[in-house]
Amino acid sequence: DAGVIQSPRHEVTEMGQEVTLRCKPISGHNSLFWYRQTMMRGLELLIYFNNNVPIDDSGMPEDRFSAKMPNASFSTLKIQPSEPRDSAVYFCASTQVGGGNEQFFGPGTRLTVL
Amino acid sequence: KNEVEQSPQNLTAQEGEFITINCSYSVGISALHWLQQHPGGGIVSLFMLSSGKKKHGRLIATINIQEKHSSLHITASHPRDSAVYICARPGTASKLTFGTGTRLQVTL
Repeated sequence: DAGVIQSPRHEVTEMGQEVTLRCKPISGHNSLFWYRQTMMRGLELLIYFNNNVPIDDSGMPEDRFSAKMPNASFSTLKIQPSEPRDSAVYFCASTQVGGGNEQFFGPGTRLTVL
Repeated sequence: KNEVEQSPQNLTAQEGEFITINCSYSVGISALHWLQQHPGGGIVSLFMLSSGKKKHGRLIATINIQEKHSSLHITASHPRDSAVYICARPGTASKLTFGTGTRLQVTL
């Protein structure tokens, strides 16, 4: 398996622009997690899905952030409009709940909002 | 107060030294994760353990559920072990709460 795939790996955009981050989980995994990592706050859970359904989005910072999982093999995290304080590395991870629960992380998307 | 505390925050060691990183958590759990993040940024799961000890190469992880404490040991450390080591406790549906991380630098 190729592991968790994220795209793009790097994104530089201007304040106010829409940003879409993409994630393909490991085939067969039924849970998907979006995390954000910053120097100040470390790793934080933004939202997670179980069987494509959002279970807990309490970590989503504000309404500018939204996430979807239209099917078991694809998820998006969208920021609209983006702000400089959104600059961070965004990780996607997936796991098979009930199968050991070990999470496998994607390589991350480094977002810079100017 | 973070539910998951790690110590030390930063650690410098010479090649060959035995290294210990500690993790304490305040909420009872059934398992604990140890993750490694290299300077390039990628995160790799090292261990998930619920009791006793696990070993993988030069890495050993131990956990004491009753004392809410886990340790990660590296034997015969090497510069390529330089990374940030993060412990994380799973909650509902595998939702992870992360420790603050320990930045390890192993020098020649």
